[in-house]
Amino acid sequence: AQSVSQHNHHVILSEAASLELGCNYSYGGTVNLFWYVQYPGQHLQLLLKYFSGDPLVKGIKGFEAEFIKSKFSFNLRKPSVQWSDTAEYFCAVYAGNNRKLIWGLGTSLAVNP
Amino acid sequence: GAGVSQSPSNKVTEKGKDVELRCDPISGHTALYWYRQSLGQGLEFLIYFQGNSAPDKSGLPSDRFSAERTGGSVSTLTIQRTQQEDSAVYLCASSLGGTRATFYNEQFFGPGTRLTVL
Repeated sequence: AQSVSQHNHHVILSEAASLELGCNYSYGGTVNLFWYVQYPGQHLQLLLKYFSGDPLVKGIKGFEAEFIKSKFSFNLRKPSVQWSDTAEYFCAVYAGNNRKLIWGLGTSLAVNP
Repeated sequence: GAGVSQSPSNKVTEKGKDVELRCDPISGHTALYWYRQSLGQGLEFLIYFQGNSAPDKSGLPSDRFSAERTGGSVSTLTIQRTQQEDSAVYLCASSLGGTRATFYNEQFFGPGTRLTVL
């Protein structure tokens, strides 16, 4: 069965530190990849997505993610985090034969001021 | 409305009771999804509606769960004879529809309904 793995469940960083959250999926065919974010007290919202083309995609608030097909990965990065980036981050994968998004368990990020 | 709304925001019920959770999607969104998020778990897909097509019910965990979508808009998720393991946050999302492209579209989430079964 297809699955999405987020390796880091809880991450604590200081402001200005660099961030990389891992996301790996298990599916050998064409995929569409998403990162969603849930800020405290707010709804889940789309951070960025990859469909095709340039494997380095840029999202809102300075986030970016790189699709590495050979590694089945779609890691989320930000060069310098801010306290306001404290949130839960979810990776999701749409594998065309499944007709539904498969979600990772999420990574809780806490940024200390 | 401006976004996806869900009601109630919180629901506490006794084991064995039935509950109904409501979702109002964004106007014009033909695709609607229900998810369940349990403590420490990711989002678990429950059911998906797309326009007038038959819903994809493949994620419903048991026959105690059912959902309907009236008039292609508002949706109700019903849980019969609730059990303690049904306690979770139930999220609704909507997106622009289409055919196979539906899941490519950004999903807009509601605030969720926190269900507690005592």
